[in-house]
Amino acid sequence: QVQLVQSGAEVKKPGASVKVSCKASADTVTTYSMHWVRQAPGEGLEWMGIISPDGGSTYYSQKFQDRVTLTRDTSTNTLYMELSTLRSEDTAIYYCARDALYCSGHCSFDPWGQGTLVTVSS
Amino acid sequence: EILMTQSPATLSVSPGERATLSCRASQNIGSSLAWYQQKPGQAPRLLISGASARATGVPARFSGDGSGTDFTLTISSLQSEDFAVYYCHQYNIWPRTFGQGTKVEI
Repeated sequence: QVQLVQSGAEVKKPGASVKVSCKASADTVTTYSMHWVRQAPGEGLEWMGIISPDGGSTYYSQKFQDRVTLTRDTSTNTLYMELSTLRSEDTAIYYCARDALYCSGHCSFDPWGQGTLVTVSS
Repeated sequence: EILMTQSPATLSVSPGERATLSCRASQNIGSSLAWYQQKPGQAPRLLISGASARATGVPARFSGDGSGTDFTLTISSLQSEDFAVYYCHQYNIWPRTFGQGTKVEI
């Protein structure tokens, strides 16, 4: 069963950057599109972006377009989400999630990583 | 961007009762609709995809229906472990969007 294991909690100051990792089992990152979703405290889910399995191309939500970078390391099956110019409103749990099995292009998300809490505070 | 509107925000029910959750899309999304369950301190868990297909291991008391703009998730007989927040999610149009959630509580 595929597992997505994320890095630990981070505390950052406003203006800094954070890089969250998501380690997948087997060859997940070269087979499936992967997504990042965040959830502010007590709030709902917000999609941030996607990285494709083939050439590692990316597509971002317009809200994060200028600040987020999704990358991957195929040698370690690890994904990365870097968010720059952090502000207090970026305090949230950040999740990675895989495209579900047996879909193409239009996919629900399954499974999800356990989440990484990023706290932005001076 | 497609706006997903869930109702009600909170649903108070008793164990054994039936719960019906609604989700409305601001434009036609066909059947590209998923439902997730989230318990406190946990990641979301996929329940339903394609508007009505249960994910592996999801009990039969969970069912989904709808297409186009109006969707429902029904829990036929609530169990104690079903008390959680439920989110709908459209994956037809970019950017992907989620509803604001329905909390099912006792």
